[in-house]
Amino acid sequence: SQQGEEDPQALSIQEGENATMNCSYKTSINNLQWYRQNSGRGLVHLILIRSNEREKHSGRLRVTLDTSKKSSSLLITASRAADTASYFCATVSTDSWGKFQFGAGTQVVVTP
Amino acid sequence: NAGVTQTPKFQVLKTGQSMTLQCAQDMNHEYMSWYRQDPGMGLRLIHYSVGAGITDQGEVPNGYNVSRSTTEDFPLRLLSAAPSQTSVYFCASSYSVGIISYEQYFGPGTRLTVT
Repeated sequence: SQQGEEDPQALSIQEGENATMNCSYKTSINNLQWYRQNSGRGLVHLILIRSNEREKHSGRLRVTLDTSKKSSSLLITASRAADTASYFCATVSTDSWGKFQFGAGTQVVVTP
Repeated sequence: NAGVTQTPKFQVLKTGQSMTLQCAQDMNHEYMSWYRQDPGMGLRLIHYSVGAGITDQGEVPNGYNVSRSTTEDFPLRLLSAAPSQTSVYFCASSYSVGIISYEQYFGPGTRLTVT
């Protein structure tokens, strides 16, 4: 079974709107990371949040982490057509420190 | 830096053939991983390594072997290809601080078709 589960599976929005996606996980983690994958390409790291952090910002990205609920959210503000991609969360567990576990991803489509 | 490189980019195999997917990184990262991604799905971990000489199984290791003789290289060997192994394969590396691994850098992927 997958450690991270993203929700929703797909999201369609218009340019300028915000996009929010969520990730739930099962075990204790060292950190949680979000990645973007454009169609046919490899994954690109977006942002990392440590287990002792609650919120982090990077440009138009905002990530929150609630370790008590074992969940994280990624917010993309003022979305652009170029944000169209699949977004994945990945966790690094406290007992498997070299091992990343990915969720199934959220497919985001931003229309002009 | 070239980052993470993978060869080949595309490969077609017949059932029962064996082959090795190559992966190399020039960032001196300790951690390396192999994933497969099936259409419309996330990444599933095949094998990973936390340093030269140390490898471990992921979620879907059957049918694959790995070795890590150097920090730079982490080849993935398909022992006897099956149609179920048709997928896109990604190699990734990450740095660590102490024992904790941080962001992964991905290669461009190898698209494998087994007929």
